[in-house]
Amino acid sequence: GENVEQHPSTLSVQEGDSAVIKCTYSDSASNYFPWYKQELGKGPQLIIDIRSNVGEKKDQRIAVTLNKTAKHFSLHITETQPEDSAVYFCAAPAVYNTDKLIFGTGTRLQVFP
Amino acid sequence: KAGVTQTPRYLIKTRGQQVTLSCSPISGHRSVSWYQQTPGQGLQFLFEYFSETQRNKGNFPGRFSGRQFSNSRSEMNVSTLELGDSALYLCASSRGQGSGGYTFGSGTRLTVV
Repeated sequence: GENVEQHPSTLSVQEGDSAVIKCTYSDSASNYFPWYKQELGKGPQLIIDIRSNVGEKKDQRIAVTLNKTAKHFSLHITETQPEDSAVYFCAAPAVYNTDKLIFGTGTRLQVFP
Repeated sequence: KAGVTQTPRYLIKTRGQQVTLSCSPISGHRSVSWYQQTPGQGLQFLFEYFSETQRNKGNFPGRFSGRQFSNSRSEMNVSTLELGDSALYLCASSRGQGSGGYTFGSGTRLTVV
């Protein structure tokens, strides 16, 4: 079955700096890779996703890159702000053509003013 | 557009009791998945329902069960509660069939004493 590994587990950056979180997956058939942000007391919120026919996707200050050959994908946040502080999860489909996702273990991002 | 609604938000139960949690998906979403979130284990998949049928199941004991109604609302039940069942239980809805776009509710915080 699918296995998703996520690094680092914690990340501290200064406001304005960039942050990068990396994930690897095991199933080469996986075709959809979402990223979620979870703030304290809330459920995870989808912030960006990418499909396997695309190498990079951007949405304002966040971007996701996908390397299918190496089976890894990364979240990039530029010009970080204190409100970016949260736990970020990557995920990959566990079973083809269903919505069951396997999540990484999460990265706690802290942005210091 | 209403989001995913989970009730109740908080529950305190005693060991040995049973509990039922409810999830109302986004209108039009036919897939509902349940996850258990704990600090040590991250987001663990419980099960997925699609059109009233359990389509995927995680590695949890039979004390954890669920169902989905014709209006796509879902319930999960935990019988004979143990201290280790204390967790945040999250449900997520989507259109199903690998379409992505999982949307999470805010979760039910279950504490077993």
